[in-house]
Amino acid sequence: NAGVTQTPKFRVLKTGQSMTLLCAQDMNHEYMYWYRQDPGMGLRLIHYSVGEGTTAKGEVPDGYNVSRLKKQNFLLGLESAAPSQTSVYFCASSPLSGTSFYNEQFFGPGTRLTVL
Amino acid sequence: GESVGLHLPTLSVQEGDNSIINCAYSNSASDYFIWYKQESGKGPQFIIDIRSNMDKRQGQRVTVLLNKTVKHLSLQIAATQPGDSAVYFCAETLIAQFYFGTGTSLTVIP
Repeated sequence: NAGVTQTPKFRVLKTGQSMTLLCAQDMNHEYMYWYRQDPGMGLRLIHYSVGEGTTAKGEVPDGYNVSRLKKQNFLLGLESAAPSQTSVYFCASSPLSGTSFYNEQFFGPGTRLTVL
Repeated sequence: GESVGLHLPTLSVQEGDNSIINCAYSNSASDYFIWYKQESGKGPQFIIDIRSNMDKRQGQRVTVLLNKTVKHLSLQIAATQPGDSAVYFCAETLIAQFYFGTGTSLTVIP
């Protein structure tokens, strides 16, 4: 199993450009998450999904949109990139809540995004 | 948002000693408290969690203590090894959302 994969690994955008980050998991997990991590800070939740076709806002959702059309994929979109969105983005997945492994989020390797 | 913070941003320990990493949290309603380890250039990795109705849980070389009276969480690593060098995050969950602290950087001195 590949676990959680993220595409691309690196990207440089100009202000105003748009892009989509792809997250894929092959563990049949129900929950998926998008986080951003800035220097000297912990992870902050952008959006999350508790199942196929559902999404919800996290702590810092402004400027981002997400879609979960297939259970295994969770897309994060930036419609009009801003320098403040320069960050490392992590995707994670976890099994259904209430199971013994609910809190064991599996993280992808991250996408380093720079907005000029 | 929720507030999860760490007392110390950096910690250095001698190889073989025990390490203690501390964390303060603010929301008494959180369901679980979790510790993650993040090595340089990688995503966080789950270490151990503890349910809010427990005060201690042990894993392999790690122990998590929860003091709800003072809203304090700690991670104890026994016989710290060079491979334990990383940034450690505490997190709390509330209704499927996870709130992470800022992290403590642990350096193990050979």
